[in-house]
Amino acid sequence: ETGVTQSPTHLIKTRGQQVTLRCSSQSGHNTVSWYQQALGQGPQFIFQYYREEENGRGNFPPRFSGLQFPNYSSELNVNALELDDSALYLCASSASGTTVGEQYFGPGTRLTVT
Amino acid sequence: RKEVEQDPGPFNVPEGATVAFNCTYSNSASQSFFWYRQDCRKEPKLLMSVYSSGNEDGRFTAQLNRASQYISLLIRDSKLSDSATYLCVVKGYKLSFGAGTTVTVRA
Repeated sequence: ETGVTQSPTHLIKTRGQQVTLRCSSQSGHNTVSWYQQALGQGPQFIFQYYREEENGRGNFPPRFSGLQFPNYSSELNVNALELDDSALYLCASSASGTTVGEQYFGPGTRLTVT
Repeated sequence: RKEVEQDPGPFNVPEGATVAFNCTYSNSASQSFFWYRQDCRKEPKLLMSVYSSGNEDGRFTAQLNRASQYISLLIRDSKLSDSATYLCVVKGYKLSFGAGTTVTVRA
């Protein structure tokens, strides 16, 4: 196990609602990245947080937002949910100074939007 | 054009066989390259980094061809436990993942 935890494990929401997903990074890691993985696809980069600041963003609309807390845990918020937001949401933590391709993923939150 | 493209497979091979597959990437400025492994309904895990000179890790060999912008992974002496989806990952300002190549090793 990587030590990265996510909650909840599964979630069902209705179109138009808002959702908050949570991630606790591995001890000693100060960087958290969020990914969306649709069925049959690879993870798509949403954004990254480093020391509580957004530090890079992928091609996702502003209704995807996040936070990182002083203990380096993180939240992903999605407003105005759409059916296409149904996916596995993964967070990954890493330590600055290490090989940045080496990220440790949590088990993910499976979001279903109906 | 996708940033990272992979043959989705599936590659269905017997135990002990050798299997190899490639991925191509579009950004010539990409800095680093990796293979991740993802088991069914699990999170991705780093399998190995890919170096310009090519590198081995046990039964796994990775190659990088910058001129042609492709990366390969070869698995020798396949084990049942090698059954998984292998994700090609390219680093620019972010990590870009391919959709994965599925490998099934049968007894």
